[in-house]
Amino acid sequence: VMTQSPGTLSVSPGERATLSCRASQSVSSSLAWYQQKPGQAPRLLIYGASTRATGVPARFSGSGSGTEFTLTISSLQSEDFAVYYCQQYNNWPTFGQGTKVEIK
Amino acid sequence: EVQLVQSRAEVKKPGESLKISCEGSGYNFTNYWIAWVRQMPGKGLDWMGIIYPGDSDTTYSPSFEGQVTISVDKSTRTAYLQWSSLKASDTAIYYCAKTPNSNYGPTWFDPWGQGTLVTVSS
Repeated sequence: VMTQSPGTLSVSPGERATLSCRASQSVSSSLAWYQQKPGQAPRLLIYGASTRATGVPARFSGSGSGTEFTLTISSLQSEDFAVYYCQQYNNWPTFGQGTKVEIK
Repeated sequence: EVQLVQSRAEVKKPGESLKISCEGSGYNFTNYWIAWVRQMPGKGLDWMGIIYPGDSDTTYSPSFEGQVTISVDKSTRTAYLQWSSLKASDTAIYYCAKTPNSNYGPTWFDPWGQGTLVTVSS
């Protein structure tokens, strides 16, 4: 089971956002992060816990291994307000319930 | 550009059958797995299963085994998700997504199709 926290994060533009994802058992570094905006499909941001996907801005960074993972957005832009999901692929994929990043 | 284009939204009655599609372009379709993912209204993401277009090898999530059928037609570069008897609880957006390589096994998904909204209501 993948558990994300917090459920909602209120952040002002330009501030840093830190999102957490916890696995119920170790998934090594088999962890991906996605961004989903309203009415759109999920978009891959990070895989291998810390590797940015092609075209993803450097303000997005991922860290962690085992059971504890973090997605950091260093300076929130207006286009970053969205829902973020983590996904483990150490076993057949499971997703966290999502963290909504909203404008404070 | 790698792209997955899904079929349009559907409105069906309980008990009806349905087959939705996902057409891949911009890459060697037969060499990469295609996954299906469900998103119920206002909810998160549920992995349903995965198919390899090269030989139609398919693995289902235990939660969806027997509930849906995943298939592929490599001649038209299209993957399918079908139901024989829809229920109201099948109402959701269904996404297809491509894997990053041809290896069998769990992985991440990129890119995703735009999604197909399936509404089941009497």
